[in-house]
Amino acid sequence: DAKTTQPTSMDCAEGRAANLPCNHSTISGNEYVYWYRQIHSQGPQYIIHGLKNNETNEMASLIITEDRKSSTLILPHATLRDTAVYYCIVRVSGGNAGNMLTFGGGTRLMVKP
Amino acid sequence: GAVVSQHPSWVICKSGTSVKIECRSLDFQATTMFWYRQFPKQSLMLMATSNEGSKATYEQGVEKDKFLINHASLTLSTLTVTSAHPEDSSFYICGGASNTGELFFGEGSRLTVL
Repeated sequence: DAKTTQPTSMDCAEGRAANLPCNHSTISGNEYVYWYRQIHSQGPQYIIHGLKNNETNEMASLIITEDRKSSTLILPHATLRDTAVYYCIVRVSGGNAGNMLTFGGGTRLMVKP
Repeated sequence: GAVVSQHPSWVICKSGTSVKIECRSLDFQATTMFWYRQFPKQSLMLMATSNEGSKATYEQGVEKDKFLINHASLTLSTLTVTSAHPEDSSFYICGGASNTGELFFGEGSRLTVL
């Protein structure tokens, strides 16, 4: 799986949009971009994933650049409960061999009042 | 999303004893389950991959005789830490892969070996 690069930490004011960047310049054509987050002392929580089109769900939006070498996770109105470590992962979707997730360091997002 | 449940959520044991952690997929069938370990202030590290009805595949450096994994059904996988020692103290997390390819995680199990 392709490696990703994320900033170590970010701060965001409560109620503002949190934009978390991720670089994945070696992504392959069949690899998806996944985002998970981990709140302290809990298991990772799935947020969103996409291949090349922008995606939106009830939690967040995912913006993938046209060359797919980078992406941004957007939390439109961050709350204190969004404080967590956010992981950007690229991997092939589907099939047993591709289901493993390799976690990097992630971005520690701190939402402040 | 799909629900994966782990039990126990935390356990304290004496050195030399064995501890079993259960991982259940509650509303989907997970043909593949993954076990991760996370030390304080570090990221998740994959320990092993298990497929229902077959032997688990362990990552390099993970002792298969120490970390016994059983995946007897499509909804249950267990990790047994045998002869646990203080250095095995960690946060253990399981994940189940759905038939659409997404991976859903349990709440984690914190093991403390005295």
